[in-house]
Amino acid sequence: DIQMTQSPSSLSASVGDRVTITCRASQTISIYVNWYQQKPGKAPKLLIYAASSLQSGVPSRFSGSGSRTDFTLTISSLQPEDFATYYCLQNYVIPPTFGPGTKVEI
Amino acid sequence: EVQLVESGGGLVLPGGSLRLSCAASGFTFSSYSMNWVRQSPGKGLEWIAYITSRSVPIYYADSVKGRFTISRDNAKNAVSLQMNSLRDDDTAVYYCARDGRDARTTNEIPFDHWGQGTLVTVAS
Repeated sequence: DIQMTQSPSSLSASVGDRVTITCRASQTISIYVNWYQQKPGKAPKLLIYAASSLQSGVPSRFSGSGSRTDFTLTISSLQPEDFATYYCLQNYVIPPTFGPGTKVEI
Repeated sequence: EVQLVESGGGLVLPGGSLRLSCAASGFTFSSYSMNWVRQSPGKGLEWIAYITSRSVPIYYADSVKGRFTISRDNAKNAVSLQMNSLRDDDTAVYYCARDGRDARTTNEIPFDHWGQGTLVTVAS
């Protein structure tokens, strides 16, 4: 299985900050990475697919980049509603595998 | 509006069985692949099963292969997960999730919509 790692595992930030989360795959996966946001007690929500495509309805302050093994999710100006846990997912091969998550806290 | 509503979770003894259901609405269910994804308490996310729009092919995570069965009824807009030989480590919130489709490339977009989840607790 392809292993996905994320860094950092958690971070503290303030409203208005630029936040970058990194995801690394254990082997090359082209652009088959997706990013999800999860708030406590809620289902995950898709933010970014195919490494850099913004899901419909997601604010433009979210962006994704990368290819092969290294990927980033950037929040250009953190808003109060963005405090959550973020997961990357590879869907290059079956089984699709998630990263362990990055918790963004105040 | 796309809606996915899971049901069927609960408390079950180790070795027991449970059947989860997911009712879909707001889209042409028969045109989309569906998945089950679970999350153990306080832990990360784990994909466990996938079924295409026509029920072939089907894929499972190794952790559930031979114990769980995914199926769908396109006439009833529903996908199900039959879980047998349940173990303590199957305790989790179980989500059904749709694979969307990129309008530009027609590639599948994994898990573009999720249900609210249903809790399965395996304990004696």
